[in-house]
Amino acid sequence: QLVVTQSPSASASLGASVKLTCTLSSGHSSYAIAWHQRQPDKGPRYVMKVNSDGSHIKGDGIPDRFSGSSSGTERYLTISSLQSEDEADYYCQTWGKGVLAVFGGGTQLTVL
Amino acid sequence: QLLESGGDLVQPGGSLRLSCAASGFTFSTYAMSWVRQAPGKGLEWVSEISGTGGSTFYADSVKGRFSISRDNSKNTLYLEMNTLRAEDTAIYYCAKDASSGTWFDFWGQGTLVSVSS
Repeated sequence: QLVVTQSPSASASLGASVKLTCTLSSGHSSYAIAWHQRQPDKGPRYVMKVNSDGSHIKGDGIPDRFSGSSSGTERYLTISSLQSEDEADYYCQTWGKGVLAVFGGGTQLTVL
Repeated sequence: QLLESGGDLVQPGGSLRLSCAASGFTFSTYAMSWVRQAPGKGLEWVSEISGTGGSTFYADSVKGRFSISRDNSKNTLYLEMNTLRAEDTAIYYCAKDASSGTWFDFWGQGTLVSVSS
């Protein structure tokens, strides 16, 4: 069964870097995922798609501070030079043959 | 841009129709989806429709109660919701599929549906 898992929370200091992790279920290491950001009182925003080889496609207007990478069944979103506006919930999403959108539970990022 | 409307307070067992007006892209070319977020919960995919409207898909939680449709002449997506339950209470977002059955590359701001007596 295709499942993605995220840690419920993460925190880092203003100006620092943070790496969020999305873990695909066993046997799905070739799958891509997408990261979405949901700031308080706003609709979600597509951040980037991350492929199994670590290549990624960013959404319009996403700063260079955001980058993606992969290792095995893990997909990462790294945010460098953290700013206050990066404080948000981050969701990963995957999909597959016969399986439409599957979301992780989300990671609440706090900028200290 | 994606702009949802139609959210409201409705009693259990009631009905509601949501709309999503699209602009800025060739609407008929893309599959579209509805995704919801219940209070304190994560995102949950609800339904998807192909660009032509010929194919539709539903989450098990709404199958038989919700119906997705689109009017490509009006660049508008719809979600007809019947037999509403308390657990359908959520913010409903429309989302543009990057390509059919893959990831979402654009989202609306959402419309709130509350089901309560």
